[in-house]
Parts: sequence; C-alpha cells; structure tokens
Amino acid sequence: DAGVTQSPTHLIKTRGQQVTLRCSPKSGHDTVSWYQQALGQGPQFIFQYYEEEERQRGNFPDRFSGHQFPNYSSELNVNALLLGDSALYLCASSLGLAALNEQFFGPGTRLTVL
Amino acid sequence: DAKTTQPNSMESNEEEPVHLPCNHSTISGTDYIHWYRQLPSQGPEYVIHGLTSNVNNRMASLAIAEDRKSSTLILHRATLRDAAVYYCILIIYNQGGKLIFGQGTELSVKP
Repeated sequence: DAGVTQSPTHLIKTRGQQVTLRCSPKSGHDTVSWYQQALGQGPQFIFQYYEEEERQRGNFPDRFSGHQFPNYSSELNVNALLLGDSALYLCASSLGLAALNEQFFGPGTRLTVL
Repeated sequence: DAKTTQPNSMESNEEEPVHLPCNHSTISGTDYIHWYRQLPSQGPEYVIHGLTSNVNNRMASLAIAEDRKSSTLILHRATLRDAAVYYCILIIYNQGGKLIFGQGTELSVKP
C-alpha cells in the first residue's frame, strides 16, 4: 500500500518563474493538505482540498494556488516565485475533513529559488 | 489559533523514559491535543492525540493535566530511532484537521 507520494523530489527555479508540485494521497484518502516548511521551522499550513474544492486556507498570498483532481491527487502552483519561497513543501492526506483524522505526510519537495 | 509552548530541545539516554512537556494555557473546551513527530529528512508522522483522559498507544502515552492547560508526551523507552522534532498541536474541532505547527522540541537520544 503506497503512502503519500510527491514529485519532484527537488526543484530549482529562478525568481519570477512559476512552479507546479504534485501529490498523490495515500490509497483510500480523499483530502489533501499542503504545508510549507522553511529551514529550521515547523510546517506552515497553506490550504486543504476536499471534493475538488479548497476548504481551508492559511495565511498565504494568492500566488499560491492549488487543484484537486477527481482521483484525489493534487497540485500546488506558485506564481512569481520569490527567494523566500525556498522551502520544503509537504503534502498530507487524510480520510475526510474531521479534525481527529490522522494526517499522513509525504517526504516533501525541496524547492530552491535562485 | 490556540498556541502551544514547548522547550526547544531535550536530551535523553537510550532505553530510558522521556517526558516531553507542552503548555497550552489558552486551550478551549473543544480543542484536541495532538502530537506529531518529524524524523530527519522525512515528513511529520502522527504519534498520539487526546481530549481529556490520558491515552496510550503502541508508540507513546499522553498525559493531560486535569485543567488541560498542559500535557506530556511520554516515550517509555527511548531508542535512537526516536530522535526527532516533536510537535504538540491543538486542533480546533470544527476546523477539519488544519494543523498549526509551532517550533517543536528537538529530541536527541544518546547511546
């Protein structure tokens, strides 16, 4: 049973470019959340998708957008990249929106913006 | 969002118990206390959660103060594999699993 998978593993972009990160949830899960983790910090919640709609959003600008597909996989898009967007981007999946549902995290995508 | 406070770092010896404290003095009645940990170069993983009563599972125990303003994650016998950053998180019941991570406690385990 595959867990949460993310692609690519690493990515290098330059300022002003756009990037798309991908996430496949754990088998049977229908909810995907995205987090940004800067070096030495705890993960910060970006947004959460359920039934192909954004359900909750953290304190991130509109440059950060996402999508969820009918097979529950998800994409995170970041436009007009800034140096400060360099971070580990984590995807987590769960079954449903209930607060108590355990979230399973992927290994992350390391984004470097030069 | 309700805030938690944890020590930045702790040390333990292998095969000894470890008590990781967390203060959450502004907790509300419907907030659940969750613990996640992040091993080096991995995403976080769920450890345990509770509301009012102490909880045990195969990984750890969670002791919750009677006034719920603090809790303690207990690893009964630390192993080298338990070296990680441990996060204490309050989950607001009606906010569908949005995890607000703090700085966490970096646990190192000495052989």
